Amino acid sequence: TQLLEQSPQFLSIQEGENLTVYCNSSSVFSSLQWYRQEPGEGPVLLVTVVTGGEVKKLKRLTFQFGDARKDSSLHITAAQPGDTGLYLCAGASNTGTASKLTFGTGTRLQVTL
Amino acid sequence: DAGITQSPRHKVTETGTPVTLRCHQTENHRYMYWYRQDPGHGLRLIHYSYGVKDTDKGEVSDGYSVSRSKTEDFLLTLESATSSQTSVYFCAIRPTGLNEQFFGPGTRLTVL
Repeated sequence: TQLLEQSPQFLSIQEGENLTVYCNSSSVFSSLQWYRQEPGEGPVLLVTVVTGGEVKKLKRLTFQFGDARKDSSLHITAAQPGDTGLYLCAGASNTGTASKLTFGTGTRLQVTL
Repeated sequence: DAGITQSPRHKVTETGTPVTLRCHQTENHRYMYWYRQDPGHGLRLIHYSYGVKDTDKGEVSDGYSVSRSKTEDFLLTLESATSSQTSVYFCAIRPTGLNEQFFGPGTRLTVL
């Protein structure tokens, strides 16, 4: 069974601070996605990383895929209250019938004024 | 907007009763997935479909069955609901050729 561990589980910071969330596995994935989920809603895709060592930026969010494609990080610069939510990483693996995602347990971020 | 709806959005039922949750898509995608989300477990795959009448089990399929008689609808059935099936259920679609999945708004199910 493939497992994805995210750390930290909870993070409470003030507006303007920087933070990094980690997603680690012992398995290799063909790609890795990051999602953000707000209360009462489904996860929303933020980014997909595919190549080992790849770095993608989405405004104040920077995503990195590990060289061995087993881990990833999400760095947020100058966090804002609108960044509050549950951040989920998900690794993709391809079986005979369909591509499937394995999700991490999530990092719950709260950004206060 | 990925064009995915789930119904009902909330349901309270009693142990032992059958329950069917519906996922409807307007995008004509081949691949559809059912997950449950519980505190401390993240999202776990229940069943998935790779075409009409083509389904397979995920990691937590016991107690659940699915059906897909047409492209746009993927049904999840709890034949005899138990309290351990109290959860939030999400449906997702995946466009062919991509690994990304797009999620519906979820159904909160409470089994008393």
